Amino acid sequence: GAVVSQHPSRVICKSGTSVKIECRSLDFQATTMFWYRQFPKQSLMLMATSNEGSKATYEQGVEKDKFLINHASLTLSTLTVTSAHPEDSSFYICSASRTESYEQYFGPGTRLTVT
Amino acid sequence: DAKTTQPPSMDCAEGRAANLPCNHSTISGNEYVYWYRQIHSQGPQYIIHGLKNNETNEMASLIITEDRKSSTLILPHATLRDTAVYYCIVESYNFNKFYFGSGTKLNVKP
Repeated sequence: GAVVSQHPSRVICKSGTSVKIECRSLDFQATTMFWYRQFPKQSLMLMATSNEGSKATYEQGVEKDKFLINHASLTLSTLTVTSAHPEDSSFYICSASRTESYEQYFGPGTRLTVT
Repeated sequence: DAKTTQPPSMDCAEGRAANLPCNHSTISGNEYVYWYRQIHSQGPQYIIHGLKNNETNEMASLIITEDRKSSTLILPHATLRDTAVYYCIVESYNFNKFYFGSGTKLNVKP
C-alpha cells in the first residue's frame, strides 16, 4: 500500500512553454502533498507543501507564480512550471502523507528537460 | 534547512554490515528521525524511523543515542542492491516537512 505515482515520468519542452506534472496517491487519501526539486548530484530541495483545498505554502526562494501548485482532491496534486527555461530542467519529485502517519511516500519522479 | 550531518560517502563489502552515522544535535524532543534512501534517478524509499527507542524492521535497524543527538542506520547484510544515497532526516513538527541534507553515498562492493 501507500503508492504514489507521477505523470509523466519524462518530459521535454521548449523554452517559454508551460508543463504540468501530476502526482497521485493511488491507494490512500493524502492530506498533504509535497513537491521537491533535485538537480544533478544534489540533494532534494523542498519547494512547497500543499493541503487539499487550500493554497500551497512555498519555501523561501521558490517563485509561486512560476511553480503553480493545485491540490484539487485528496488523491491528486499538480505542479505546473510556467514559462519554463533551461535552468528549470531538473528532477521533480512529489510525496504524500496521510493523517495517521508522518511518513512521506514518494513518487518515482519526473525528469523535465527544457530546450 | 537540514538539521542533520552525514559523511558524504562510505564503502562496505557485500555481505557485511553497513553502519551509517548521522548527527542531529539540535533535534527537538518531539521530532522523529527518518531514514530514506535513493537509488539513482528514482524517488526516495522509506527505510525506518524512530523517536527515541531503537527500531528494527525487515530492512534495517535504527540505533538512537540516549541524548538523541545522533543515530546509526544498520544494514545487517549489505548487498549490491543496497548501493544508494542514504538520507537521515529530522522531521519538522511544523507541517511535517522534510528538509534533506546531502546524505551518504553507500557503495557496496563485491
